[in-house]
Amino acid sequence: LAKTTQPISMDSYEGQEVNITCSHNNIATNDYITWYQQFPSQGPRFIIQGYKTKVTNEVASLFIPADRKSSTLSLPRVSLSDTAVYYCPALGNKLIFGAGTRLAVHP
Amino acid sequence: DTEVTQTPKHLVMGMTNKKSLKCEQHMGHRAMYWYKQKAKKPPELMFVYSYEKLSINESVPSRFSPECPNSSLLNLHLHALQPEDSALYLCASSPLNTGELFFGEGSRLTVL
Repeated sequence: LAKTTQPISMDSYEGQEVNITCSHNNIATNDYITWYQQFPSQGPRFIIQGYKTKVTNEVASLFIPADRKSSTLSLPRVSLSDTAVYYCPALGNKLIFGAGTRLAVHP
Repeated sequence: DTEVTQTPKHLVMGMTNKKSLKCEQHMGHRAMYWYKQKAKKPPELMFVYSYEKLSINESVPSRFSPECPNSSLLNLHLHALQPEDSALYLCASSPLNTGELFFGEGSRLTVL
């Protein structure tokens, strides 16, 4: 079963770039790496997905090294509204969420 | 329409009650999910439906009974719940074979 490990919490300031790294123990060959954002009392929201190398969309970038044992979500120029919990579940035949990283963005 | 709609938003029930949570999506997704989330914990997968058939049951107690009457609807029937079952119940849908799940806002359940 794919298990992920992330820092419990991170702090940043408005306008900074934030990089959150996730370790993907036991990731299977066919698993994709996904990242989700969750605000209190809301469902998680999909941010980005990748298999290897780099993926970029309008919200974030995702870096995955060749061994795929980790991934890094990069949020450029964060704002207060990026304060949330970020998850990096690996997708096999099901999406299992780990503990997540609580990001706090300060003025 | 890119929404997953869950009703009710809040539900309070006694341990002897029977109630149901409902979930609806009109995105044509053929995979639907139930997750349970306790405060300050990650969502825990409960059930997965593919093409309206139950494909994954994460050893959920039988007091939770899922139902997928058609490709747009997903129900979770609740009976004889315990106070520790109080949580946010999240429904999600997705196209098959993708990690992009669309979650609803959840149903906040309190069992007295």
